[in-house]
Amino acid sequence: EAGVAQSPRYKIIEKRQSVAFWCNPISGHATLYWYQQILGQGPKLLIQFQNNGVVDDSQLPKDRFSAERLKGVDSTLKIQPAKLEDSAVYLCASSPSYGPNQPQHFGDGTRLSIL
Amino acid sequence: ILNVEQSPQSLHVQEGDSTNFTCSFPSSNFYALHWYRWETAKSPEALFVMTLNGDEKKKGRISATLNTKEGYSYLYIKGSQPEDSATYLCAFDSNYQLIWGAGTKLIIKP
Repeated sequence: EAGVAQSPRYKIIEKRQSVAFWCNPISGHATLYWYQQILGQGPKLLIQFQNNGVVDDSQLPKDRFSAERLKGVDSTLKIQPAKLEDSAVYLCASSPSYGPNQPQHFGDGTRLSIL
Repeated sequence: ILNVEQSPQSLHVQEGDSTNFTCSFPSSNFYALHWYRWETAKSPEALFVMTLNGDEKKKGRISATLNTKEGYSYLYIKGSQPEDSATYLCAFDSNYQLIWGAGTKLIIKP
């Protein structure tokens, strides 16, 4: 079974620029998550999709972050404009369905550095 | 605000020694407790999902226990090997959302 694919692996941009990340979950997984992991902290959930609908985006800074999962498969996360505090690893994960006790399968992440 | 604490923050262990570390979480609204291993330059890997008070799970040399009444879980590694070097994350599963600890970074010294 192919794992969760993310790209790019690394990205360096200047503040106020825009950036986009892409995620392809495991085939058949209905639930997709985007996390932000700042050095020294645990992952923070930014947004959770069930198929192509948003289940939880309460911690997504909506003035600059947006995410979509148009056909219920691939997803993109965008930051526009980037701030210094957005430097982090952005992780995408998927699980077969929505509910408790579901282990999440992660991609390798995108390491974003803001100059 | 739900808080998940892991201790210690980092740990150096001699190869061959056994070790353990702790995850503390709220004792209310508990659905499950997850353990993940995150090796450098790789993706986080699920180790255990624990749901019942008194649960014990084992995977090779790694095992975990769960106490939901007092809100803690221990992860044990027996006979540490260099490949065990990683950050170990726990996550509290509440209301269908995972609340993550900051992790314990384990370094195995040869």
